Amino acid sequence: AQTVTQSQPEMSVQEAETVTLSCTYDTSESNYYLFWYKQPPSRQMILVIRQEAYKQQNATENRFSVNFQKAAKSFSLKISDSQLGDTAMYFCAFPDRGSTLGRLYFGRGTQLTVWP
Amino acid sequence: EPEVTQTPSHQVTQMGQEVILRCVPISNHLYFYWYRQILGQKVEFLVSFYNNEISEKSEIFDDQFSVERPDGSNFTLKIRSTKLEDSAMYFCASRDRQGTEAFFGQGTRLTVV
Repeated sequence: AQTVTQSQPEMSVQEAETVTLSCTYDTSESNYYLFWYKQPPSRQMILVIRQEAYKQQNATENRFSVNFQKAAKSFSLKISDSQLGDTAMYFCAFPDRGSTLGRLYFGRGTQLTVWP
Repeated sequence: EPEVTQTPSHQVTQMGQEVILRCVPISNHLYFYWYRQILGQKVEFLVSFYNNEISEKSEIFDDQFSVERPDGSNFTLKIRSTKLEDSAMYFCASRDRQGTEAFFGQGTRLTVV
């Protein structure tokens, strides 16, 4: 069974600074996807970024980028130039390849607070 | 931009009552899901649905739960006799094909009193 581990329950960063949220996972698959979702205080789940495991290039979406290390099974999220609106719970998610429709496993989340 | 829509945003119900949570997935999506998040805990999978039948369900999804897609656009989750521990945020999600990201609705906060 797959597992997803987020070892940082809480993090804080000053506005305009850079922060990295960590995620590790366990799988025996060779080709898969990984996702970071953001959950602001409104509690909606918003996709931040996704990474395809067969691509060596790290995914980037504006201020958000990943550091994907396949051998180490590590998938960290870097937020550059942090903004107050980035304050949210961030979940790393991983589809269960043994699942017919790819149910997602979520980590326990990291609560990020951006302060002025 | 297409989005998954859930109604109501907040539902308060008495223990033992039936509730129906409604979702309108993105129109060209094929795979549908319900997830649950108890306050302060991680998001948990409940059930997946494809081609008008349940594809997979978790141990949480017992006989008190059911899903259906009554009219080709709505996707509903019914809890027959709610318990206090059913209080949670319920998320509907949809996806167009294997390997792509799931899009989540804004959630329904269910409070059982």
